[in-house]
Amino acid sequence: DAGITQSPRHKVTETGTPVTLRCHQTENHRYMYWYRQDPGHGLRLIHYSYGVKDTDKGEVSDGYSVSRSKTEDFLLTLESATSSQTSVYFCAIRGLAAYNEQFFGPGTRLTVL
Amino acid sequence: AQKVTQAQTEISVVEKEDVTLDCVYETRDTTYYLFWYKQPPSGELVFLIRRNSFDEQNEISGRYSWNFQKSTSSFNFTITASQVVDSAVYFCALDYSGGGADGLTFGKGTHLIIQP
Repeated sequence: DAGITQSPRHKVTETGTPVTLRCHQTENHRYMYWYRQDPGHGLRLIHYSYGVKDTDKGEVSDGYSVSRSKTEDFLLTLESATSSQTSVYFCAIRGLAAYNEQFFGPGTRLTVL
Repeated sequence: AQKVTQAQTEISVVEKEDVTLDCVYETRDTTYYLFWYKQPPSGELVFLIRRNSFDEQNEISGRYSWNFQKSTSSFNFTITASQVVDSAVYFCALDYSGGGADGLTFGKGTHLIIQP
């Protein structure tokens, strides 16, 4: 158990509303990630962070922003949700070394109507 | 660019049969890492194995074994004597070690169904 929690676990929202997903870890890991999982696509990287206030874009970053003001929290924001952002969102942390495996949170199922 | 291909979208076998899940990857990097993850019906992602590009030894863990072949850019996963509890979606993933902390590139997954 890598001590990763995600909130909320489920959310239904309407198109055009802002949404923030939270990832919280308890083990002081430096590297954190947000992925989305869609049928037929596997998991795709949205954004990642390599330290407090240090973030970078992943493969599918359009329409998403992130913030990391504390080591333990990594927030994913959809400024104006669209139906194409209906997905399951996973947060992950990486072990101490950059080549280590990633451990995933339980996921957040987001539905945008 | 990196790419991971899991050509088998779905595999269905009867319990106790052996089954192999294929994974083919593309990368220009000489140093990289390969992973397998399991996603059972409950939805969580479970780490199974990590293999680095310098280590081509096969690995066995109980009923699970992994065959890494650099010559064919493949990292296949075999389950021996499959059980119903092995039913899940399995993902192969690639991580290139550029010194940074970039994310993983995942294949699209193979849905494995073990029938009793």
